[in-house]
Parts: sequence; C-alpha cells; structure tokens
Amino acid sequence: GAGVSQSPSNKVTEKGKDVELRCDPISGHTALYWYRQRLGQGLEFLIYFQGNSAPDKSGLPSDRFSAERTGESVSTLTIQRTQQEDSAVYLCASSLGPGNSPLHFGNGTRLTVT
Amino acid sequence: GIQVEQSPPDLILQEGANSTLRCNFSDSVNNLQWFHQNPWGQLINLFYIPSGTKQNGRLSATTVATERYSLLYISSSQTTDSGVYFCAVEPSGGGADGLTFGKGTHLIIQP
Repeated sequence: GAGVSQSPSNKVTEKGKDVELRCDPISGHTALYWYRQRLGQGLEFLIYFQGNSAPDKSGLPSDRFSAERTGESVSTLTIQRTQQEDSAVYLCASSLGPGNSPLHFGNGTRLTVT
Repeated sequence: GIQVEQSPPDLILQEGANSTLRCNFSDSVNNLQWFHQNPWGQLINLFYIPSGTKQNGRLSATTVATERYSLLYISSSQTTDSGVYFCAVEPSGGGADGLTFGKGTHLIIQP
C-alpha cells in the first residue's frame, strides 16, 4: 500500500485479556517502530526493528508486552493480561533506514481496556 | 538518554499570524524531524532536517546542530494548522531506540 497500515483501528477489551496489534509498513522500509501515546501526552518509544538485527526492546514497559517482525514486513505487538493503564493509541511507523530518512506513521490502534 | 524540550507548550493565534516553534536537544544528533499531529490524531511528517534550512509552502524549518536547537516557522497561519507539533531526534551516538520525541507544542489557530 501507499502508507503504513495498522489494524484494528479500534480495540476494546476486558482487563486480563490478551490483544494483538498489527502493522504493515511501507514496502521497502527496513526500519519499523512502535510508539504508545496516552491521551493528551507525547509519544513513548516502545520498540524498534531494523532489518534482520535483533530489536531493542528496552522501551517495552513490562514483560506483558512483546513484539515480533517477520523479515522486513509485518509486525505484531502483543499485550498479555491487559490492564487499564494500557489504554492508549499504539502507533507504528516505518522508514527506509535508521537515522537518515523520514519517519512515516500509521493511523494507530486505539486500545481501550475496560 | 537525550532530552528534547519544546517551547512554547501552548500557543493560540489568530488566522493569518506567523509563529515560531522551538526545539532544544541535549546532545548531538544525526536525525531530527518535525511532525504535525492533527486534531484527528494523524501524525504527518513535515521535515527531515538534521541540519540546515528547508521550506515547504508556508512552513520552513532551520536546525543549528552545533547549538542543539531547531526552529519551525509557520507563516500566514490557517485554522487547518491547528494541532500538536512534535520535534523528534536521534542522537549521533546511535543506539537502537529510535527517535525521541519532545512533549510537543499545542497550536490553536482561531478564525
């Protein structure tokens, strides 16, 4: 597609359930990022994938969060045993490579944990 | 990690006015980008500008890397310019933690 695609656009889940968020980056983009944005706040870095290198997971807030990426394509962010404080918009972005090209964001997944 | 400070945090202007948004950062960078988040939450990349000056229509940006700041200029503001403007940087020392975002400047353009 022409841009970064995220699904679902909205997700409402009950506390304690697992959720999986999906990101399709722009074709050819080797770098992929996940960010979290709580209501009225800035962007909080979660995880970054670059090509086939091991991702830096240091931004993940707890061991309930994990992310995978298959090669240079789709990525999934999984949140296990969701808590109310996980409610936020989860944003995915991609770029041609690290440090030298513009970042393009998807429209995000709005997660609400009830 | 690198610190990014944006000012002002909030700005209210009348349509047609000009504005300057500032981004200060605490370390040398090899990547600096400006983004606009519209009221619907969409994040649009405005500039990739680790140094120098760029212009795109009514918007322009200047980064003075040696002095660790960047400025975003908006001229002849329109109501559609409203939203939050974020500055994001990646330090020159590298590291795989992506771009660090500032807290943003919330801009409201009144008709």
